Amino acid sequence: SQQGEEDPQALSIQEGENATMNCSYKTSINNLQWYRQNSGRGLVHLILIRSNEREKHSGRLRVTLDTSKKSSSLLITASRAADTASYFCATDAKGTDKLIFGTGTRLQVFP
Amino acid sequence: GAVVSQHPSRVICKSGTSVKIECRSLDFQATTMFWYRQFPKQSLMLMATSNEGSKATYEQGVEKDKFLINHASLTLSTLTVTSAHPEDSSFYICSAIFDYGYTFGSGTRLTVV
Repeated sequence: SQQGEEDPQALSIQEGENATMNCSYKTSINNLQWYRQNSGRGLVHLILIRSNEREKHSGRLRVTLDTSKKSSSLLITASRAADTASYFCATDAKGTDKLIFGTGTRLQVFP
Repeated sequence: GAVVSQHPSRVICKSGTSVKIECRSLDFQATTMFWYRQFPKQSLMLMATSNEGSKATYEQGVEKDKFLINHASLTLSTLTVTSAHPEDSSFYICSAIFDYGYTFGSGTRLTVV
């Protein structure tokens, strides 16, 4: 079952600009995670935010979580061409270990 | 630590044949593994949850007789796509839970011709 909806579906920006992706989900969660996937490759774990956290930073990444709105955002600051990839949020609903992925955002960063 | 090795990375098979994909946890014991399928430019869709020593739990709409999952040991889960058809062509990824979260295999690109 697809739990997370992400927007935008696709995003094109210039190097140096910031990229913001949003994720909405449907049920109560334990954690929310963000992953990156380069075309046709495996997943790279970016960051995990717990349901009792509101914001988390890791390098150029900033994640927010609003459990009242069941939404999260991923901000990539000072983007680079190497950030070009698809980005997915994933949640594990309370009472289950299953990790359900959002629809994803395809980010293209032009040099 | 917490590496899942998945192979093959690519496989091409003829329509009607069966293909087995393996996922091994290399440095930890995985009582639970998950299998996902990803069509081009789409997200990962959970197919089934594989539990060591018991039957897999399939998501709604996934044919259990077509996608056979075996989790006979704490380090190995296999997905067999039986009687494969071109519409089964996809990217298949396994995942396992470990102490600190989830780890993913590198994926298998299946092409059925």
